[in-house]
Amino acid sequence: GAGVSQSPSNKVTEKGKDVELRCDPISGHTALYWYRQSLGQGLEFLIYFQGNSAPDKSGLPSDRFSAERTGGSVSTLTIQRTQQEDSAVYLCASSRTSGIGSYEQYFGPGTRLTVT
Amino acid sequence: GQQLNQSPQSMFIQEGEDVSMNCTSSSIFNTWLWYKQDPGEGPVLLIALYKAGELTSNGRLTAQFGITRKDSFLNISASIPSDVGIYFCAGRDMDSNYQLIWGAGTKLIIKP
Repeated sequence: GAGVSQSPSNKVTEKGKDVELRCDPISGHTALYWYRQSLGQGLEFLIYFQGNSAPDKSGLPSDRFSAERTGGSVSTLTIQRTQQEDSAVYLCASSRTSGIGSYEQYFGPGTRLTVT
Repeated sequence: GQQLNQSPQSMFIQEGEDVSMNCTSSSIFNTWLWYKQDPGEGPVLLIALYKAGELTSNGRLTAQFGITRKDSFLNISASIPSDVGIYFCAGRDMDSNYQLIWGAGTKLIIKP
């Protein structure tokens, strides 16, 4: 079946503008994760959604960052008043939370955000 | 908080050489996962391990879940140019039912 998809693949924005990044998880995966990856660095956890539970927002770096997951499927990560330090690749992953392979995360290709 | 130590940070190898990298944790894990990330792509799951002592292969890749449950290693045999990339380990500890804890990555570079 289809994997995790993300859009846009690249986004260039001016400092101070708001951006929205979209993630379509694998069908049937109840868990969805957002990560940030700066150039040459590892994965920085941002936020996690599981089913109808309240999201774990513990990784969001500031109140300029927020995310929603509508209908238990598509998620949108919003960054308000973007700063140059927000420039990074934003990765989305999804996983099952029961059965064989639970918690194996499958990633999308990422959105490369450049703030000028 | 929980941390994973992944080593080495980078490796320069000759084509055809065997490669070994490992991760250690400060607490007991119940799952170890190994991923590879190519430039411009998201990480791809290579091998998942669920039991202490488990040894699993995927082609030329072999990974093991350490008996102490605090470490895991990944071996690549007879490396080829397409093995270039960044390899990440990730694991779940007893206190987390969803989040993975990630290593910092091992960058594999093949000498020309």
